[in-house]
Amino acid sequence: DAKTTQPTSMDCAEGRAANLPCNHSTISGNEYVYWYRQIHSQGPQYIIHGLKNNETNEMASLIITEDRKSSTLILPHATLRDTAVYYCIVWSHGSSNTGKLIFGQGTTLQVKP
Amino acid sequence: ETGVTQTPRHLVMGMTNKKSLKCEQHLGHNAMYWYKQSAKKPLELMFVYNFKEQTENNSVPSRFSPECPNSSHLFLHLHTLQPEDSALYLCASSPPSGPQETQYFGPGTRLLVL
Repeated sequence: DAKTTQPTSMDCAEGRAANLPCNHSTISGNEYVYWYRQIHSQGPQYIIHGLKNNETNEMASLIITEDRKSSTLILPHATLRDTAVYYCIVWSHGSSNTGKLIFGQGTTLQVKP
Repeated sequence: ETGVTQTPRHLVMGMTNKKSLKCEQHLGHNAMYWYKQSAKKPLELMFVYNFKEQTENNSVPSRFSPECPNSSHLFLHLHTLQPEDSALYLCASSPPSGPQETQYFGPGTRLLVL
C-alpha cells in the first residue's frame, strides 16, 4: 500500500487560500489520490480525488505533480468551518473490487479569524 | 448528511454486556465498511463487506462480530469488550465498482466501555 506523508498541522487565515501538501512517492500508476476531511467528532467527509490530471469541484482543487509523487489540496477561500483534519490517501485496490482507504494522521488545519 | 446513518450515536456498556451497532444506507451502494477510531489515532479499517459477503477482516478480535444481512444494513455485535475498545466506530458505504469508489461515512457511534 502506497504511503502518504503530510505535515502534522497548518494554520490559515480566514478568507485566504489553504494549500495542503501531500507526498506519495511510492504511488503506483493505477492508484488514485483521495482527500477526506474530518471535523471534530464527525465522520470523515469526501472532498476530491484524482489520478493524473488536476481536478476541481465545489469544495476544492487538487493539483497532482506530473510525476504523481506529490499533490496539493487547495481550499480557495478558507472559512472557520474548514477547520478540520485533512487526510491524503492513496486508494489501494483490494479484493472483490473493494478498495482500502488507509488513513494516516492527516494534517490538522486551523483556520483563524 | 451523507445518506449513511448509524445508531446509537452514543453507547456506554460494561465489559459483560452485549450490544449491537447498526448502520444503514439507502444510496444503492453494495460495499459497506466498519472503521474504528481511537483517541489520537488514525482510522483503522476493521471489516469490509461487498454484496453481503465479508471480503476483509483486518485481524479484528472475535469479541467484535459483524453481520451484513443485505446491502443496505450492517451491524457490529459487541460482547465482552475491554475498556481499550472505547472509541468512535464509523460505518461507510461505497458503490461496488472500480478504483474510483468514494466512501461515504456515517456520523459514528461513540462507544465507552466501563
